[in-house]
Amino acid sequence: NAGVTQTPKFQVLKTGQSMTLQCAQDMNHNSMYWYRQDPGMGLRLIYYSASEGTTDKGEVPNGYNVSRLNKREFSLRLESAAPSQTSVYFCASSEIAGRRNSPLHFGNGTRLTVT
Amino acid sequence: DAKTTQPNSMESNEEEPVHLPCNHSTISGTDYIHWYRQLPSQGPEYVIHGLTSNVNNRMASLAIAEDRKSSTLILHRATLRDAAVYYCILPFTGGGNKLTFGTGTQLKVEL
Repeated sequence: NAGVTQTPKFQVLKTGQSMTLQCAQDMNHNSMYWYRQDPGMGLRLIYYSASEGTTDKGEVPNGYNVSRLNKREFSLRLESAAPSQTSVYFCASSEIAGRRNSPLHFGNGTRLTVT
Repeated sequence: DAKTTQPNSMESNEEEPVHLPCNHSTISGTDYIHWYRQLPSQGPEYVIHGLTSNVNNRMASLAIAEDRKSSTLILHRATLRDAAVYYCILPFTGGGNKLTFGTGTQLKVEL
């Protein structure tokens, strides 16, 4: 049981390049989330998907797009990377949308550097 | 959105209990209090959550004040592997599981 799997683990981009971060969960969870974590800061929510077929903005959505491909997969796309997007990106999932007591399960992150 | 306040860092000796405090004075009546921890170079890990009553699991205990404006995560016997950043968090207002993480408490455990 792998839980939440993120690929790639590391990535270096040049300013203006695009890429997609992949996330998959094998726990049959309804909700999925993308967070970013900058040095010395907590996690900030970028986008989330309460259920398959829906996506919504979080705190810091600018510069990103997401796709909930199916129940298992939730991808994050940077169309034109900027140095300010250098960060560690975490994907998470939870069992039931809309229930505040449903814990989040996190992947181990993608470390992205934009030069 | 309801905010939480935690000390930036705390220290403990191995094998001793640790009490990690959190203030959440603007908590709403239906907000669960969640605790997560993050080990170096890993994603956050769920620890425990509760609403009104004290809660226990294999990892920790959660003591919630009667007025729910504060809570304490209790690690009964700290080990070196418990050295991590501990986050006390509440959901966004508006429902769902959109958890907002602050900067947490860095727990250092010494021999």
